[in-house]
Amino acid sequence: QKEVEQDPGPLSVPEGAIVSLNCTYSNSAFQYFMWYRQYSRKGPELLMYTYSSGNKEDGRFTAQVDKSSKYISLFIRDSQPSDSATYLCAMTTYSGYALNFGKGTSLLVTP
Amino acid sequence: EAGVVQSPRYKIIEKKQPVAFWCNPISGHNTLYWYLQNLGQGPELLIRYENEEAVDDSQLPKDRFSAERLKGVDSTLKIQPAELGDSAVYLCASSSRGVRYNEQFFGPGTRLTVL
Repeated sequence: QKEVEQDPGPLSVPEGAIVSLNCTYSNSAFQYFMWYRQYSRKGPELLMYTYSSGNKEDGRFTAQVDKSSKYISLFIRDSQPSDSATYLCAMTTYSGYALNFGKGTSLLVTP
Repeated sequence: EAGVVQSPRYKIIEKKQPVAFWCNPISGHNTLYWYLQNLGQGPELLIRYENEEAVDDSQLPKDRFSAERLKGVDSTLKIQPAELGDSAVYLCASSSRGVRYNEQFFGPGTRLTVL
């Protein structure tokens, strides 16, 4: 079993919908939690990162971390067709450098 | 500021042939990473460099893969000989040493197809 589990989807929503993306993990040593967005034939780009538990908001994006449940989420409000991409969760330990990625969830936002 | 540069973007070779990928990290970034991304999967770390030293190569298949980072800037990842299962995207990333969190910036990747 991999340390980070993520439903690959695909997930299709209409424009303007609220999108919820999730990951679970098994390693309690993980302290930094990240969400990357990857467009087709591009490299991943960092959307948000969170240290330890809690919420973080950036525009239409909200990241949540629940360390007690080993569960992280990314919410996208007012989704746009330009949000169509693969969303990868990633995490690492406090002193770690290697990112542990989920499989990624493919999101399609239809006009 | 220029991002991480990788070349070539695409490479098609026959099995048993050698292949090399090149990466130029963001200027001033001392840490460089090579990741392997299979179709439908997240990236997996192959090797990490701190300046010119490979500090984590535990996931690098050393029988056929090699890497170098001369002068602590550009890096080259080589496969010899390539196998069908090596078809994947090879991503390079770089980061600078921060207080705690080291944000990694990814290049566009090299898509390798082995026939």
